[in-house]
Amino acid sequence: QVQLVESGGGVVQPGRSLRLSCAASGFTFGDYGMHWVRQAPGQGLEWVAVISYGGGDTYYADSVRGRFAISRDNPTNRLYLHMDSLRPDDTAVYYCAKDRVPYYFDSADYWGQGTLVTVSS
Amino acid sequence: EIVMTQSPVTLSVSPGERATLSCRASESVSSKLAWYHQKPGQAPSLLIFGASTRATGVPARFSGSGSGTDFTLTISSLQSEDFAVYYCQQYDKWPLTFGGGTKVEIQ
Repeated sequence: QVQLVESGGGVVQPGRSLRLSCAASGFTFGDYGMHWVRQAPGQGLEWVAVISYGGGDTYYADSVRGRFAISRDNPTNRLYLHMDSLRPDDTAVYYCAKDRVPYYFDSADYWGQGTLVTVSS
Repeated sequence: EIVMTQSPVTLSVSPGERATLSCRASESVSSKLAWYHQKPGQAPSLLIFGASTRATGVPARFSGSGSGTDFTLTISSLQSEDFAVYYCQQYDKWPLTFGGGTKVEIQ
């Protein structure tokens, strides 16, 4: 069965960096685009970034473009989100999610349980 | 970016009743519209993709309709497990965007 397990969250000071990881299993990781979506405490969902199945295409939300970088390592079935210049409004639970359709961008059919990032001094 | 507007913000419904949720896009997204629900403390779960196709394992009481800018999610007879927050998402244009959500609560 598909499993997505995020890690790397924690408390970080404003202006610092953090890298999140997502370990994937139960499907052919290298065939699917992967997303990061976040949810601030008590708020709705915000899409953050996506990477294509091969890693050659990436897209970002306006709020994180230039500060965050999505990447993947297909041989080890891992997805990453490198976050620089963190701000208090980046505080959220960060979910990784699998695209529904191989070799294409679509909706997200499987989600991890999320990892909490708190940006605070 | 495309703004997704959901209404109502909160919907109070009795078990067994019908619920109708709306989602409007600020410009056409064709049929590239998904619905998710999220229960407290859990990750979101895909219900509908392509505006009207149920995801694997989703009960037939959930149905989606619409295209272009106006979309509807209907739950024909609410069960206790359906009380949750529902989000629409467009995946037609970058950046992808979600609506603000509709909370379906027990009346």
